[in-house]
Amino acid sequence: AQSVTQLDSHVSVSEGTPVLLRCNYSSSYSPSLFWYVQHPNKGLQLLLKYTSAATLVKGINGFEAEFKKSETSFHLTKPSAHMSDAAEYFCVVSDQGGGFKTIFGAGTRLFVKA
Amino acid sequence: NAGVTQTPKFQVLKTGQSMTLQCAQDMNHNSMYWYRQDPGMGLRLIYYSASEGTTDKGEVPNGYNVSRLNKREFSLRLESAAPSQTSVYFCASREITGWSTEAFFGQGTRLTVV
Repeated sequence: AQSVTQLDSHVSVSEGTPVLLRCNYSSSYSPSLFWYVQHPNKGLQLLLKYTSAATLVKGINGFEAEFKKSETSFHLTKPSAHMSDAAEYFCVVSDQGGGFKTIFGAGTRLFVKA
Repeated sequence: NAGVTQTPKFQVLKTGQSMTLQCAQDMNHNSMYWYRQDPGMGLRLIYYSASEGTTDKGEVPNGYNVSRLNKREFSLRLESAAPSQTSVYFCASREITGWSTEAFFGQGTRLTVV
């Protein structure tokens, strides 16, 4: 069975500084990995997804994530935070066993200070 | 270009009442999912359907039933609502023939049980 752990429930950064949101996963099969973002009172938007073509994945709005199989991690980064990045971020894992069950992490709330 | 449509958007129930949340997708996806979102807990999988004719329990199935009516529609039923089922419910669909295809989400149903 797969699982996903987001290591920080809250992260606070200043505008213009780097962002790091950490995610560890567990999967019995080769996993599909995703990051979604949810702005307050909004729906879920896909930021990026791991496709196995490359371990460093680029997403929208300047976000990237690196797949590290040896560490079972898929951390999300951005070089320079913007006020509009303040939102909740979810790491998601799905694997080909178990009928493509798709599991969310508990989420990381990102605060961006001016 | 509707994507995933959930009805209703808002609902208030009394304890013990029953109701069905409806979900329909127009993307011809095989897999469909129901999640609930509660503060600090991310999205938790209630039930999913890997393909038409199959349904499986997710992380928190107790108190819920589902029906995969056809390829387009996947409904979630609360037989006897409880205050603990107050939550925001999201339906999602996903095409699983591709290895790393993302899920598409509806806008959510905000359910309050009093």
